[in-house]
Amino acid sequence: DSGVTQTPKHLITATGQRVTLRCSPRSGDLSVYWYQQSLDQGLQFLIQYYNGEERAKGNILERFSAQQFPDLHSELNLSSLELGDSALYFCASSGEDFSGDTQYFGPGTRLTVL
Amino acid sequence: GNSVTQMEGPVTLSEEAFLTINCTYTATGYPSLFWYVQYPGEGLQLLLKATKADDKGSNKGFEATYRKETTSFHLEKGSVQVSDSAVYFCALSPNTGNQFYFGTGTSLTVIP
Repeated sequence: DSGVTQTPKHLITATGQRVTLRCSPRSGDLSVYWYQQSLDQGLQFLIQYYNGEERAKGNILERFSAQQFPDLHSELNLSSLELGDSALYFCASSGEDFSGDTQYFGPGTRLTVL
Repeated sequence: GNSVTQMEGPVTLSEEAFLTINCTYTATGYPSLFWYVQYPGEGLQLLLKATKADDKGSNKGFEATYRKETTSFHLEKGSVQVSDSAVYFCALSPNTGNQFYFGTGTSLTVIP
């Protein structure tokens, strides 16, 4: 158990809909990373927050957004969903504002868009 | 730019066989290098890391040496076990900015 929690575990929705994925980092960790894992594109870094501020952006679509709240949990919002958004979404947390720090991964949320 | 290339899988080995999973990288500057492992149905876990050239990361019998001259970070284990069956990801942190780059993953199955 990494100490990172993600909810929900599974999510099934339809094209065009909007969903919110939630991540609670390990106790004391200020940094949260979001990743998308799909069969065709592998594991892609989406975005990183540190102590409430956006710090780095990767291959995140404009339809996706994220935020980190004062209690340090983070949410990833996916809107106007397409079939290709079906994937496993992971969050990870670390103590430092530095991607070279060890990241602890949650169990993931599996999103299926029908 | 920054990228990681790792050998295609799947890899199937018999128990106690020697394992090598190749990983090469492209990076600007002086990256840190990582191996993460994903067991079935779970999130990723850090297996080992190296932060500078010639460093050797090791954990649970796995080793990888950061080779700047060949831009490589190959994962090795002398004697694999059935419990090592998982997907292994090589990854890179460029150490400037907070992006993180994963390879495509190599699936390993160890048979008794």
